[in-house]
Amino acid sequence: QVQLQESGPGLVKASQTLSLTCNVSGGSISSSGFYWNWIRQYPGKGLEWIGYIHHSGTTDYNASLKSRITMSKDTSKNQFTLKLSSVTAADTAVYFCARDRGSITGTVFDSWGQGTLVTVSS
Amino acid sequence: QSVLTQPPSVSAAPGQKVTISCSGSSSNIGNNDVSWYQQLPGAAPKLLIYENDKRPSGIPDRFSGSKSGTSATLGITGLQTGDEADYYCGTWDTSLNAGGVFGGGTKLTVL
Repeated sequence: QVQLQESGPGLVKASQTLSLTCNVSGGSISSSGFYWNWIRQYPGKGLEWIGYIHHSGTTDYNASLKSRITMSKDTSKNQFTLKLSSVTAADTAVYFCARDRGSITGTVFDSWGQGTLVTVSS
Repeated sequence: QSVLTQPPSVSAAPGQKVTISCSGSSSNIGNNDVSWYQQLPGAAPKLLIYENDKRPSGIPDRFSGSKSGTSATLGITGLQTGDEADYYCGTWDTSLNAGGVFGGGTKLTVL
């Protein structure tokens, strides 16, 4: 069974770049058909899809964040990363990495990391 | 504000049945499949239902899903105290700003 684990700084200063890594075990990020996602949850509940990187390397990002996001993957380490630039207090959230099993008719996030809280300080 | 609309909270007694609605539009639920997630306190969301009405292995048949038009519904029967959690619907949106979308979440209280 695939397992995902986020890692990265819990505190980032405003205007700097947030950088998180998701380590994947029990399955390969190169496996055909899967999309590797970042999702965040604000204090007080709401979930927001940030974007994905496909096993092929194709990426797609939330339009509202697109100008600030870079996602990449390292198949040799079986991990993928999120970089979010020019952060503000509004980016304070719990960040999850999650696998989408690749249904062509919707999103199916079947495996999630435990989440990591990132606080943006001024 | 979430793209998909869910009631903030629902409640029912142990053993009873509850339904949670998820309303969207033709650019999301109307033309795509819906998934449902359960988030227990302090935990990550967990997939409960996918492709509107399918259950992953290990999910009891007390949980069911349905979709009609631009709305979806999660049903839970035989409520247990362990079902107290936040529930989210999610799908893909194919509008100008296409991407994954979620409901705002519904807090289930088992009285």
